[in-house]
Amino acid sequence: GAVVSQHPSRVICKSGTSVKIECRSLDFQATTMFWYRQFPKQSLMLMATSNEGSKATYEQGVEKDKFLINHASLTLSTLTVTSAHPEDSSFYICSARDSGQGNYGYTFGSGTRLTVV
Amino acid sequence: RKEVEQDPGPFNVPEGATVAFNCTYSNSASQSFFWYRQDCRKEPKLLMSVYSSGNEDGRFTAQLNRASQYISLLIRDSKLSDSATYLCVVKSNSGYALNFGKGTSLLVTP
Repeated sequence: GAVVSQHPSRVICKSGTSVKIECRSLDFQATTMFWYRQFPKQSLMLMATSNEGSKATYEQGVEKDKFLINHASLTLSTLTVTSAHPEDSSFYICSARDSGQGNYGYTFGSGTRLTVV
Repeated sequence: RKEVEQDPGPFNVPEGATVAFNCTYSNSASQSFFWYRQDCRKEPKLLMSVYSSGNEDGRFTAQLNRASQYISLLIRDSKLSDSATYLCVVKSNSGYALNFGKGTSLLVTP
């Protein structure tokens, strides 16, 4: 089946530094990539939607200059958390959509647990 | 009001029990409905889609009531391995993003 590889799975960084998270679709073309954030005991909250080759669409309340998304190819999307602060500590997860699979075409990465100290 | 609401639980049930989860959604234009399962600190995985006529997959039965904007999941003959968080997920007809409920936690005990 479809696989999305997400790296790193866990990262600890100092406050003020930037962290890049990568998601790669391994055997399909991800026309759309979604980035979610999940705080403990909370639901997955959509941060942004990106389509290959175009600018990401951010959800209300998500700072686009802080969470930089690049979807330069059909198999790779990256999320960079710039100038991270402790309140950015969360579980970040990507989801790639394979347009050829309809409603079954959503494949999630395994998530990145970010801790900012 | 959140777009997808679920009772967070936790639901603690013995092995073999039947348990039901409910979910409501606020956007009447929603077109697609799913139940996902999420294990602790893992990514969510699709359990089943939910169809208007109701659908069954082994021990799992999902129901949709569009008039009430209500979705349910029934698990029969619970197994220890069913312990997880069950996420109610809704997709509107505009855009492709999935909207997740907070999840209902299930613990099946021996």
